[in-house]
Amino acid sequence: GAVVSQHPSRVICKSGTSVKIECRSLDFQATTMFWYRQFPKKSLMLMATSNEGSKATYEQGVEKDKFLINHASLTLSTLTVTSAHPEDSSFYICSAFGGASETQYFGPGTRLLVL
Amino acid sequence: KQEVTQIPAALSVPEGENLVLNCSFTDSAIYNLQWFRQDPGKGLTSLLLIQSSQREQTSGRLNASLDKSSGRSTLYIAASQPGDSATYLCAVIKGSARQLTFGSGTQLTVLP
Repeated sequence: GAVVSQHPSRVICKSGTSVKIECRSLDFQATTMFWYRQFPKKSLMLMATSNEGSKATYEQGVEKDKFLINHASLTLSTLTVTSAHPEDSSFYICSAFGGASETQYFGPGTRLLVL
Repeated sequence: KQEVTQIPAALSVPEGENLVLNCSFTDSAIYNLQWFRQDPGKGLTSLLLIQSSQREQTSGRLNASLDKSSGRSTLYIAASQPGDSATYLCAVIKGSARQLTFGSGTQLTVLP
């Protein structure tokens, strides 16, 4: 099946720094990628939709200047958490949609802890 | 706005039991419905995808049904095993945007 990877799997950073998370579709081209955020024991909340070569579409309440999304190629999307604060600590998951499949494939997630 | 609810929030059963997880959604104009499994601290594994024109899908011990008119889906797990312990999430997909709206999940524990 299709594989989506995320890097890093876990990151700890100091408050005020920026963190970049990569999402890659390893064996298919993803025209659309999604970024989700999950708090402990909660469900996934869609943050933004990322289409290759165009600006991301952010969900209501998500600060686009805070969470920068770039989808420069059909296999890579990046999420940069700028000037991270402890309240940004969360589990970030990406998914990729592409090819003939009607299924989104999810990455393994990135655990971010901001101290 | 689409809202997806899953009941129960948590479920504990002895090994070997058959069980049903419930998912309901408020807007019946959905494209697809998908069931996922999430192990602690991990990403999502897709279990079953039901297209809006279908009523059910089966994979091994899993059977998912969909009733669009009533806004409900169920995931049936037969002969449960301790390895089935995980959080099960349902998600509905509306339209070509392919955005998923997730339920809050059911945390399943199968006791050996």
